[in-house]
Amino acid sequence: EVQLVESGGGFVRPGGSLRLSCTTSGFTFRNYAMHWVRQGTGKGLEWVSAIGSPGDTYYSDSVKGRFTISREDAKNSFYLQMNSLRAGDTGVYYCARGDHDFGNYYFDYWGQGSLVTVSS
Amino acid sequence: DIQMTQSPSSLSASVGDRVTITCRARQTISNYLNWYQQRPGKAPKLLIYAASSLQSGVPSRFSGSGSGTDFTLTISSLQPEDFATYYCQQSYSTQYTFGQGTKLEIK
Repeated sequence: EVQLVESGGGFVRPGGSLRLSCTTSGFTFRNYAMHWVRQGTGKGLEWVSAIGSPGDTYYSDSVKGRFTISREDAKNSFYLQMNSLRAGDTGVYYCARGDHDFGNYYFDYWGQGSLVTVSS
Repeated sequence: DIQMTQSPSSLSASVGDRVTITCRARQTISNYLNWYQQRPGKAPKLLIYAASSLQSGVPSRFSGSGSGTDFTLTISSLQPEDFATYYCQQSYSTQYTFGQGTKLEIK
């Protein structure tokens, strides 16, 4: 059974930092791209960042230069280092597995979410 | 970024109804379009990928169609567990974007 479990969320002041972790099981982690998707309170879904199986990284314009995604295949885990946090970064952060079908990429398994609150 | 617009933003329907949700892309995205269902307090769940392919384990009452800029998600006969929020998502650009969501409520 595929499972993804986030950890590391919490409360932080504006300008502060947090590191989210996503630990996975039930599939060959090193073969998949992995993603972070967030959702502001009462709002829609926003893709944040991705890391490919070779380690190539991608970021949304809203977090580029502030967030860093990384992976550790030996631990079946990946991470999101979030620096210079802003109130607008508040929300539930989901980790998700990425898969593809002839060039179309989608998120087929999701974690339960980790709440990040940025407030003064 | 490729803007995705869903309509309607909210919809009231009854058990057994046939429901259609529309998603429009600002530019052509071929069939690089996916649909998700999100129940309150839960993570999103993949329903449809590549515009019309049903994800494994998803009931056959869900179907998707479209290509280019216009896409639809259809639920043929609403069940009580289908009342949720639905999102489309494009992958034509690596700046993946979602529609704003369609909240499906019980009439």
